Amino acid sequence: NAGVTQTPKFQVLKTGQSMTLQCAQDMNHNSMYWYRQDPGMGLRLIYYSASEGTTDKGEVPNGYNVSRLNKREFSLRLESAAPSQTSVYFCASRSGTSGDSEQFFGPGTRLTVL
Amino acid sequence: DAKTTQPPSMDCAEGRAANLPCNHSTISGNEYVYWYRQIHSQGPQYIIHGLKNNETNEMASLIITEDRKSSTLILPHATLRDTAVYYCIVRVGASGSRLTFGEGTQLTVNP
Repeated sequence: NAGVTQTPKFQVLKTGQSMTLQCAQDMNHNSMYWYRQDPGMGLRLIYYSASEGTTDKGEVPNGYNVSRLNKREFSLRLESAAPSQTSVYFCASRSGTSGDSEQFFGPGTRLTVL
Repeated sequence: DAKTTQPPSMDCAEGRAANLPCNHSTISGNEYVYWYRQIHSQGPQYIIHGLKNNETNEMASLIITEDRKSSTLILPHATLRDTAVYYCIVRVGASGSRLTFGEGTQLTVNP
């Protein structure tokens, strides 16, 4: 099992450009999550999907959209990138069938917006 | 979700036990205590979790006080590779619930 995979690993954008961060998991998990982590800080939840076909906002959803394409894939889209969105983005998944199951995290995407 | 308080940093000698404290005085009866760690900007890694009873796995032990207002993560024989930021998180044990990360404790294991 690859676990949680994210593409790309690194990305540099100019202000106003758009891009989509991809996330996939091969553990048949129901729930998936997108976080961002700014330097020296803990992770903050952007959006999550408790199950296929549903998405909900987290703490910091402004400037982002998400798509739960199928059970395996959960993408994060920046429509018009801003320097404030420079961050490391982590995707995570959780089985969701047991209320106390743990989250598994991907390796992250390092995004710089100039 | 209940808020947690952790010391910002701790040091530990290699080979000794590392005891990381966490206060969660407003924890509710249906909230679990989770520990994750993050090594040098990698994705966070799950360590252990518990509700009321003490728990042990191959990585660590979790001691939860009887009133559940605080807990301690114990790494029994710390190695240099255990240097990381450790996050204590409390979360409702429901399928749609989320993790809320604080700033964690930077543990440095010294040779």
